[in-house]
Amino acid sequence: EVQLAESGGGLVQPGRSLKLSCAASGFTFSDYYMAWVRQAPTKGLEWVASISYDGGSTYYRDSVKGRFTISRDNAKSSLYLQMDSLRSEDTATYYCTTDYNPPNWFAYWGQGTLVTVSS
Amino acid sequence: DIQMTQSPSSMSVSLGDTVTITCRASQDVGIYVNWFQQKPGKSPRRMIYRATNLADGVPSRFSGSRSGSDYSLTISSLESEDVADYHCLQYDEYPYTFGAGTKLELK
Repeated sequence: EVQLAESGGGLVQPGRSLKLSCAASGFTFSDYYMAWVRQAPTKGLEWVASISYDGGSTYYRDSVKGRFTISRDNAKSSLYLQMDSLRSEDTATYYCTTDYNPPNWFAYWGQGTLVTVSS
Repeated sequence: DIQMTQSPSSMSVSLGDTVTITCRASQDVGIYVNWFQQKPGKSPRRMIYRATNLADGVPSRFSGSRSGSDYSLTISSLESEDVADYHCLQYDEYPYTFGAGTKLELK
């Protein structure tokens, strides 16, 4: 059974940092691009970042470029999101999900972890 | 960035209805559109992939179609468990973009 389990969310002050983790199991992690998607309270879904199989290529939405860093450790089947210089508008539930691996784009999702940026 | 204009934003429905939700892409995204269902407090669930393919375990009353740059999700004979939010996503190119979502509510 495929499982994605996010952790690391919490309450953080504006300007501070937080690192999210996603532990994957039940599939060959290194065969998938991976992604982070977020959802602000009562809002829609928003793609945040993606990473290639070996981490050699990364992609970000403009609003997080230079502040967020996506990374992975295939030996640990884990995905990460380092979030620096956090802003109130980054407040959201962050989901880990599978990206490129035809036909399994966005087939699997974690339960999400809530990040609240507030003073 | 590619815009996915989703309509309607909300819909009042009755059990047994046929429901159609549409996303219009601002530029060509080919077949690279997924549809997701999301219930309150839950993660998104993929319902349709590559515009027209039913995801594993999804009831056959769900279907996806494409006409040019318009992508549609249709639910035939709506059941109570289908009342949820629905989102489209284009993944033809980065940045991937979602539609704003459609909320189904029972009359």
